[in-house]
Amino acid sequence: AAGVIQSPRHLIKEKRETATLKCYPIPRHDTVYWYQQGPGQDPQFLISFYEKMQSDKGSIPDRFSAQQFSDYHSELNMSSLELGDSALYFCASSLGLAVLYEQYFGPGTRLTVT
Amino acid sequence: DAKTTQPPSMDCAEGRAANLPCNHSTISGNEYVYWYRQIHSQGPQYIIHGLKNNETNEMASLIITEDRKSSTLILPHATLRDTAVYYCIVRVTGNQFYFGTGTSLTVIP
Repeated sequence: AAGVIQSPRHLIKEKRETATLKCYPIPRHDTVYWYQQGPGQDPQFLISFYEKMQSDKGSIPDRFSAQQFSDYHSELNMSSLELGDSALYFCASSLGLAVLYEQYFGPGTRLTVT
Repeated sequence: DAKTTQPPSMDCAEGRAANLPCNHSTISGNEYVYWYRQIHSQGPQYIIHGLKNNETNEMASLIITEDRKSSTLILPHATLRDTAVYYCIVRVTGNQFYFGTGTSLTVIP
């Protein structure tokens, strides 16, 4: 079965640079979520989109922005990168916002800021 | 979302049942209990979820107590590939998960 696709899988950037992470949800899924997982930490919710509109916001820094496009893929834009932004970034998708719909996670993008 | 409490680590012999407990004493009536696992830096993998009835699928069984204040995830025949961090999450809205610290399960040969 098709899964969530994330690209790139690995990304190395320098401080103060920008980065764009992409997420392609499972076909027919209209809801996308972004999570950040620092080294040795648990995944932390950043932001979510439902039907191309932002639906909820978590601990996303102001330097980050995201959007969901008409084909339901999503991009996380990160500017003025800091060393502390080095983490795994996961995207998840679901059929809708209803609590009974499980989220399916992608393999993640490992971002390293040097 | 209600807070969950899980033991930080557990061991299980290969081939035996792994029983992972979770306390969620402040759970509300409309909050679902979800279980995910994460195998070393991979994306979290959905296992099972339920509201008040016990649930079973091809991966595991979920037993929720009658008062819904705790639940147990059961992996009936643990294999080495089940070694992972298991997260119990209670969820009232569709938007986000709060993962908590999870239980690191080690399946021993």
